[in-house]
Amino acid sequence: DIQMTQSPSTLSASVGDRVTITCRASETVNSWLAWYQQKPGKAPKLLIYKSSSLESGVPSRFSGSGSGTEFTLTITSLQPDDFATYYCQQYNMYPFTFGPGTKVDIK
Amino acid sequence: QVQLQESGPGLVKPSETLSLTCSVSGGSFTTYYWTWIRQPPGKALEWIGFIYYSGTTKYNPSLQSRVTMSVDTSKNQFSLRVTSVTAADTAVYYCARGVPSYGGNSFDYWGQGTLVTVSS
Repeated sequence: DIQMTQSPSTLSASVGDRVTITCRASETVNSWLAWYQQKPGKAPKLLIYKSSSLESGVPSRFSGSGSGTEFTLTITSLQPDDFATYYCQQYNMYPFTFGPGTKVDIK
Repeated sequence: QVQLQESGPGLVKPSETLSLTCSVSGGSFTTYYWTWIRQPPGKALEWIGFIYYSGTTKYNPSLQSRVTMSVDTSKNQFSLRVTSVTAADTAVYYCARGVPSYGGNSFDYWGQGTLVTVSS
């Protein structure tokens, strides 16, 4: 299985901050990498697919980049609604696997 | 508007079989990969597998010996069975819509999730 890691595991930030989360894969996933946002008690929400494609309806302050084994999710100006846990997911190879998550909380 | 809704028992005894159904409304049922994903309390997400409308399946090898998925295209429903459950199968189970791509699937619509607890 492809192992996904994320850093940091927790990130404390303020409204208006620029936030970057890193996701690494144990082997190449090409550009088949998605990012999700999950709030407590809710299902994950797709933000980014194919590394950098913004899902319809997702605010443009979210962006993704990377290929191969290293990827980043950037939030350019953190909003109150953005405090949540973020997961990356590779879909280059079965079984599809998710990262352990990065919790973004209020500083 | 696409909606997915899980249904099934919230409590299953150890060694018994977990059975869940996902009802899909809106959108095409024949284009996507209908997927089950689970999340143990406080932990990360785990892909269980998918079923296509034709009945084609793909399962996570870690669960393959205990998992069966089925589909009912007349009702736009798909189902999950996990046999011989243990406490390790306690999780929120999500159904999701897998978007086809030249790679595999990202998941653009999800059910609200249903907590299944394995306990006697």
